[in-house]
Amino acid sequence: GAVVSQHPSWVICKSGTSVKIECRSLDFQATTMFWYRQFPKQSLMLMATSNEGSKATYEQGVEKDKFLINHASLTLSTLTVTSAHPEDSSFYICSARFRGTSVPGTQYFGPGTRLTVL
Amino acid sequence: KNQVEQSPQSLIILEGKNCTLQCNYTVSPFSNLRWYKQDTGRGPVSLTIMTFSENTKSNGRYTATLDADTKQSSLHITASQLSDSASYICVVTLANQAGTALIFGKGTTLSVSS
Repeated sequence: GAVVSQHPSWVICKSGTSVKIECRSLDFQATTMFWYRQFPKQSLMLMATSNEGSKATYEQGVEKDKFLINHASLTLSTLTVTSAHPEDSSFYICSARFRGTSVPGTQYFGPGTRLTVL
Repeated sequence: KNQVEQSPQSLIILEGKNCTLQCNYTVSPFSNLRWYKQDTGRGPVSLTIMTFSENTKSNGRYTATLDADTKQSSLHITASQLSDSASYICVVTLANQAGTALIFGKGTTLSVSS
């Protein structure tokens, strides 16, 4: 089946620094990639949707200047958390929808990245 | 409002026992319903998917049911194993003119002990 990878799997950074998280689809072309954030004991919350070659669409309440998303190719999307603060500490998960997917809502999730901001 | 409610919030069972997790939804228009397993610190992995016309779907020791009339679904785990300890998330796909969107439940945390 389709595989989505994320890098790094965990990262610790100082407050005020920027962190980049990569999401790659392996062997499949991802026409759409999604970025989610998950706080402890909470559900996944969609942050933004990005289609290859176009600007990401952010959900209400998500600051696009703080969470920069780049979807430069059909196999790579990046999320950059700029000027990170402790409240940005969370579990970030990406998912991908692949070309040719016919079943509505089908997304393949990455393993997630644990971000801790000190 | 489109919502997915899961119960119980958490559950502890002994290894070898069966359990049933519940999911109620108020999502319209409904496209399909999925159950995911999410291990701690990992991304969700799909277990089952059911459309409007399907009542039951099995995947090994996991059996999901769907009652589209009452908008309820359940996930039954048979002969639980320690590796079943995880969060189980019910996700409903909303299909409308804007496209499709996933409505997530908060999950049920299952702990299987020996």
